[in-house]
Amino acid sequence: DVKVTQSSRYLVKRTGEKVFLECVQDMDHENMFWYRQDPGLGLRLIYFSYDVKMKEKGDIPEGYSVSREKKERFSLILESASTNQTSMYLCASTSGPAEKPQHFGDGTRLSIL
Amino acid sequence: AQTVTQSQPEMSVQEAETVTLSCTYDTSESNYYLFWYKQPPSRQMILVIRQEAYKQQNATENRFSVNFQKAAKSFSLKISDSQLGDTAMYFCAFEGGGSNYKLTFGKGTLLTVNP
Repeated sequence: DVKVTQSSRYLVKRTGEKVFLECVQDMDHENMFWYRQDPGLGLRLIYFSYDVKMKEKGDIPEGYSVSREKKERFSLILESASTNQTSMYLCASTSGPAEKPQHFGDGTRLSIL
Repeated sequence: AQTVTQSQPEMSVQEAETVTLSCTYDTSESNYYLFWYKQPPSRQMILVIRQEAYKQQNATENRFSVNFQKAAKSFSLKISDSQLGDTAMYFCAFEGGGSNYKLTFGKGTLLTVNP
């Protein structure tokens, strides 16, 4: 089974801090994604990566950046955390065509105080 | 841009009964994929069922089936013989044919199965 591991289930940070959320997948998937999940808004795509060092903006990239130095690891970075970035963050990966679905991690509940 | 609409924020059903969750979408593409994902209270999102737009036959996975109406851009999920373990958030999602596998999600429907 594919395993997508997010480094933290719960994280509390302070306004202005630089925050790193880490995601690792163990199935050699080319494509990795970061979503933000908020009640009543569903999942919104922040950034995705289709290869090492390749990234593209999703629908809500403002205030975020990403890093993909190795194929298995995709990091989401909050450059200067703000309270409106308090949310659930989900990482996902897929090997390609839609016959193979996206596999999700357990999520990180991030609180910015 | 594609949009996905789930018009039922919350639904409930009695155990063993059948329930249908609605989803509509908007796209100008002819080749695309549709998904239903389930997120139980433990939070890990898992795939329930998928449908390729070019296939006329509705997808079925055990107790889960879809009613795909391409002309109406409708993609509803039917759960038969509902079980307590079906209690979850259900998300409808769209993937365009040339989208680099990006998914556009609806806002979700919280389904509660009552004993």
